[in-house]
Amino acid sequence: EAGVAQSPRYKIIEKRQSVAFWCNPISGHATLYWYQQILGQGPKLLIQFQNNGVVDDSQLPKDRFSAERLKGVDSTLKIQPAKLEDSAVYLCASSFVRQGGYEQYFGPGTRLTVT
Amino acid sequence: AQSVTQLGSHVSVSEGALVLLRCNYSSSVPPYLFWYVQYPNQGLQLLLKYTSAATLVKGINGFEAEFKKSETSFHLTKPSAHMSDAAEYFCAVNFGNEKLTFGTGTRLTIIP
Repeated sequence: EAGVAQSPRYKIIEKRQSVAFWCNPISGHATLYWYQQILGQGPKLLIQFQNNGVVDDSQLPKDRFSAERLKGVDSTLKIQPAKLEDSAVYLCASSFVRQGGYEQYFGPGTRLTVT
Repeated sequence: AQSVTQLGSHVSVSEGALVLLRCNYSSSVPPYLFWYVQYPNQGLQLLLKYTSAATLVKGINGFEAEFKKSETSFHLTKPSAHMSDAAEYFCAVNFGNEKLTFGTGTRLTIIP
């Protein structure tokens, strides 16, 4: 089966510019996650969707970050305006629940550099 | 508070030697536990997971981990390191709500 797709893979912008990332989860996975991974740290959850509804966005900096999953399939994460500290890898993951637990499958990530 | 701790941000082992990466968790309820591997410029790949069945879990690439409730640990091991094992390894914990909390990661270097 196809994995989680993300684009672009790399993005360089100047501070105060806007940027958008796209994610297409594995077919049939109802839950989609966006993580921020700063260099030298583990991924930190930004937002979790269940179908097209938000389950948890408590760690999303809502003054500059937004995310949507309008049709319950692919998703877009936007940053506007970007700050230097937003430089990180943005990972998208999707999951489904199976007997004995669940697994999250990760995309390759988008590496954002803010200058 | 529920958390996960990885001891050692960098570990170096010789090729053919034992790999041991440490992970401890803090939780009032039995968690689900995971180990992920991240190669340079790639996403995270699941190595193995513990979901309250067998305490010794075997994963891909010859890795295994043992859940020890008394020690609140889930250390990752591999009997013989290979050059291709060089990567970043993350321990992650799920406390029953489909959310993963990740450790800070351990960078594994293999010495030829």
